[in-house]
Amino acid sequence: DTAVSQTPKYLVTQMGNDKSIKCEQNLGHDTMYWYKQDSKKFLKIMFSYNNKELIINETVPNRFSPKSPDKAHLNLHINSLELGDSAVYFCASSQELLASYEQYFGPGTRLTVT
Amino acid sequence: AQTVTQSQPEMSVQEAETVTLSCTYDTSESNYYLFWYKQPPSRQMILVIRQEAYKQQNATENRFSVNFQKAAKSFSLKISDSQLGDTAMYFCAFMTGGGSQGNLIFGKGTKLSVKP
Repeated sequence: DTAVSQTPKYLVTQMGNDKSIKCEQNLGHDTMYWYKQDSKKFLKIMFSYNNKELIINETVPNRFSPKSPDKAHLNLHINSLELGDSAVYFCASSQELLASYEQYFGPGTRLTVT
Repeated sequence: AQTVTQSQPEMSVQEAETVTLSCTYDTSESNYYLFWYKQPPSRQMILVIRQEAYKQQNATENRFSVNFQKAAKSFSLKISDSQLGDTAMYFCAFMTGGGSQGNLIFGKGTKLSVKP
């Protein structure tokens, strides 16, 4: 009964390829996020979706495109992968009306671009 | 711009002792939320403790407690009776608003090692 799941957990691919990372949450939350953790462990928000609507879009190359088919899913598509895209990508979710504003994180996807 | 600063890249503590991790933040907002997340070697991000800025009382969760000094914009984490399982990266995080506006801003982390 995983709360926030991501697939795959590991992804190794070559420069120039296009890849997707999937995220699903079974918590009934209405907001989902993508964060990037670089090689120095620094975590930074990339995107936020609320009820399938894009809310936050930080300065991220337009090669990255989030897609939310429904409230429970937020996928990340990356086109023309570059070496600098190598990182761990975390999906998270939260419920807007909960006063705690706690975000629940998935296990992360380690992307390695060679 | 809102920033979170963790000035201790690495710390170590003996098992059963107490350790304090520092965090300062910068914001002009009056209403916000502060969090400490733990990331063990498994990579999973785990919420340790949270504090609402409007609450004066410091949050506690079992062996974990915070010292929240709003005027000084300081939010330190104290771990009592350290255990080997506490070995992890600890991230201080800040959020203004909530829900759909609530992206977390993270510090760079403190790597904590608990030694037997």
